[in-house]
Amino acid sequence: DQQVKQNSPSLSVQEGRISILNCDYTNSMFDYFLWYKKYPAEGPTFLISISSIKDKNEDGRFTVFLNKSAKHLSLHIVPSQPGDSAVYFCAAIHTNAGKSTFGDGTTLTVKP
Amino acid sequence: DTGVSQNPRHKITKRGQNVTFRCDPISEHNRLYWYRQTLGQGPEFLTYFQNEAQLEKSRLLSDRFSAERPKGSFSTLEIQRTEQGDSAMYLCASSLPRYSGNTIYFGEGSWLTVV
Repeated sequence: DQQVKQNSPSLSVQEGRISILNCDYTNSMFDYFLWYKKYPAEGPTFLISISSIKDKNEDGRFTVFLNKSAKHLSLHIVPSQPGDSAVYFCAAIHTNAGKSTFGDGTTLTVKP
Repeated sequence: DTGVSQNPRHKITKRGQNVTFRCDPISEHNRLYWYRQTLGQGPEFLTYFQNEAQLEKSRLLSDRFSAERPKGSFSTLEIQRTEQGDSAMYLCASSLPRYSGNTIYFGEGSWLTVV
């Protein structure tokens, strides 16, 4: 049973436009959510996180939105840049459990 | 601090051989995690330590896998009698919940190819 799902394996957007990456989860015990970016042959790099007590967190071009009732979160990148092309993973944590559960990733391609 | 360090970065081994990976976490991070990642999938949790105590092991961690963190600093992940299905990227991560909350920071990963 996959508790964190990223239903879009890939996304292509034009440079300067908005990229929206989506993530759904099933475990209502998750109380902290993160987004990571990964280039080939490298480890994931932390981007942004959000606690379940919030519905939005912003950091520069990156904004994460959390809809707890829908068990859905999204990452918005505005404006998108070619250097943003990578695989993006969402992750969810139940704080008392300690470990993070990851989705299978969405490959973002930003075209110049 | 240079972040989480893993070595070797790449390892090719014959089926049946044993391999060991080492992870040096971010200094003073008391939690250390091992994940495994294969192509097209997200990182899968294997095990984690708080200081030297191994607090949880995934069902994915068969008897051929063992992890240690003897002094609460670096950790090793050993795979005995490797099989072709063990080919993957092995990721180490660390965190210090008191200061960084639930965010975990990954190393560059160690690629294992079993031939």
